Amino acid sequence: EIVLTQSPGTLSLSPGERATLSCRASQSVSSSWLAWYQQKPGQAPRLLIYAASSRATGIPDRFSGSGSGTDFTLTISRLEPEDFAVYYCQHYDISPPLFTFGPGTKVDIK
Amino acid sequence: QVQLQESGPGLVKPSGTLSLSCAVSGGSISSSHWWSWIRQPPGKGLEWIGEVYQSGITNYKASLESRVTVSVDKSKSQFSLRLSSVTAADTAVYYCARSLVRGGYFDSWGQGTLVTVSS
Repeated sequence: EIVLTQSPGTLSLSPGERATLSCRASQSVSSSWLAWYQQKPGQAPRLLIYAASSRATGIPDRFSGSGSGTDFTLTISRLEPEDFAVYYCQHYDISPPLFTFGPGTKVDIK
Repeated sequence: QVQLQESGPGLVKPSGTLSLSCAVSGGSISSSHWWSWIRQPPGKGLEWIGEVYQSGITNYKASLESRVTVSVDKSKSQFSLRLSSVTAADTAVYYCARSLVRGGYFDSWGQGTLVTVSS
């Protein structure tokens, strides 16, 4: 089973700053099966990025994803007030089918 | 735009069975999607539980498989979760969600429902 590790655990930044979030897999994975979500308190997660670098419908272009193999990155180019939230990476294993999530990175206001 | 809505008891006794339903609206449950249950203990991360396809085919997380049943009722446009022999560790917000066949990600989620296991 793939284990996802996210760093840092918490990222304290100011609005307008750039956020760089890391997701590392315990073994090499296909970028086709790596996604990112945003979750705000009391809300369900929202899909941001799928296939490592494809933005989901309606997601602003300040959100971008990159990476391959074991190292993936979510970048928020300029933080807006509504971007302070918890971010999860997620991997899908096709055989047997299994979805795993990373522990999350909290982006909070500095 | 598809909408998902969870429903079911918010309190379950230890050793009992947790039962939840997810109503699908604004889209067809018979589309090319898998329908999943995901949970999140208070203050913790996300855990996938299992999924069902319109045909009734299911996949489960191995560590939960002995206690989980996910089923679909196309006539009611809903799918369901049953989790047996629950303990306090099963206390969580339970989400239903949709993933595209061979998509590998969840593009639509329900709002979530908190289920507490307590006597």
